[in-house]
Amino acid sequence: DTAVSQTPKYLVTQMGNDKSIKCEQNLGHDTMYWYKQDSKKFLKIMFSYNNKELIINETVPNRFSPKSPDKAHLNLHINSLELGDSAVYFCASSQDPVQGEAFFGQGTRLTVV
Amino acid sequence: AQSVTQLDSQVPVFEEAPVELRCNYSSSVSVYLFWYVQYPNQGLQLLLKYLSGSTLVKGINGFEAEFNKSQTSFHLRKPSVHISDTAEYFCAVSAGTGGFKTIFGAGTRLFVKA
Repeated sequence: DTAVSQTPKYLVTQMGNDKSIKCEQNLGHDTMYWYKQDSKKFLKIMFSYNNKELIINETVPNRFSPKSPDKAHLNLHINSLELGDSAVYFCASSQDPVQGEAFFGQGTRLTVV
Repeated sequence: AQSVTQLDSQVPVFEEAPVELRCNYSSSVSVYLFWYVQYPNQGLQLLLKYLSGSTLVKGINGFEAEFNKSQTSFHLRKPSVHISDTAEYFCAVSAGTGGFKTIFGAGTRLFVKA
């Protein structure tokens, strides 16, 4: 009974394609996030949503568009994929975005060729 | 704005030896501090957190950390490590105001040798 689940786990695609990553949490949390982890393991926040509303967009290119159809889901759509988009993308959620623990999904390893 | 610096990118250590992973932070407001662990091909999971109160915080798997406000540090320690502790460890900070954004350090790779 996974708390935060992402699909797919692996994604290999060609430059210029459009792809989506889905995320669902069954913890009843109000806040969800997308993080990008590069090859050096550096973890950078991309987006933060609270109750389906975008709170933070950390200077992410417009090619990245998050969508939150409801509190339990936060999907990430990427247009015109570039080589530099290759990374592991993590979805996370928390009940308290300041003091609370973030629960992470298993990650989606995106490889753009 | 807050920031986090993890002073060591890699820490090799022998099994059953003690270990300390160093973390320094900067912030103009009160902060909340966290340590997460990432095992290979997995997401991050919380080891421990400091919100307020006692500066010595105990977490899972025998880890503990000490909050030092004057030195703006939050170092992670374990008195005796196991092979299974081999993983990437991330220090993180969340600001007391403005929220919705936890900043992570660059990570420290702990490698436990037999």
